[in-house]
Amino acid sequence: DVKVTQSSRYLVKRTGEKVFLECVQDMDHENMFWYRQDPGLGLRLIYFSYDVKMKEKGDIPEGYSVSREKKERFSLILESASTNQTSMYLCASKVGLNTEAFFGQGTRLTVV
Amino acid sequence: EDKVVQSPLSLVVHEGDTVTLNCSYEVTNFRSLLWYKQEKKAPTFLFMLTSSGIEKKSGRLSSILDKKELFSILNITATQTGDSAVYLCAVGSRTGANNLFFGTGTRLTVIP
Repeated sequence: DVKVTQSSRYLVKRTGEKVFLECVQDMDHENMFWYRQDPGLGLRLIYFSYDVKMKEKGDIPEGYSVSREKKERFSLILESASTNQTSMYLCASKVGLNTEAFFGQGTRLTVV
Repeated sequence: EDKVVQSPLSLVVHEGDTVTLNCSYEVTNFRSLLWYKQEKKAPTFLFMLTSSGIEKKSGRLSSILDKKELFSILNITATQTGDSAVYLCAVGSRTGANNLFFGTGTRLTVIP
């Protein structure tokens, strides 16, 4: 089975802190994604990566950056956390076109 | 603007009832439509539909796509309390990356 693992289930951070969310997949998928999920808004794409060191902005990239130094790992970075970044963050990976995405278990981030 | 709309937003039924969840979409260069089930953690994949009129079935769940009218339905027969979850509809596009556009989900609650 494909496994997508996010480093933390719950995180509480202070405003202004730099926050790292890590995601690792074990199926050699080229494509990896970071979404945030908020009530009434569904899943919104923050960034995606289609290869090592390649990244593209999604719909809501402001306040975030990403890093993909190895194929299996995709990191989401909040340079200076703010309270409006309190959310559920979901990482996903997929192998290519016309395939399903596999999700990690999510990280619920609270910024206080 | 690409969008995916799910209805109803929430639904409460009794065990044994049959439910129909709806997903309509307006997505440039449609490629596929996917259904996910999300309990308190990662969305898990249910179905992927690419062709109109062909029903996909897994146990008590089934789904069909109408590419002319731009919608899909997810049916659950003989519902059980374990079916309680948020059901997400996502549409894949041929443009941009291998991204999926998500609806806001339908929250299904099955009461004994």
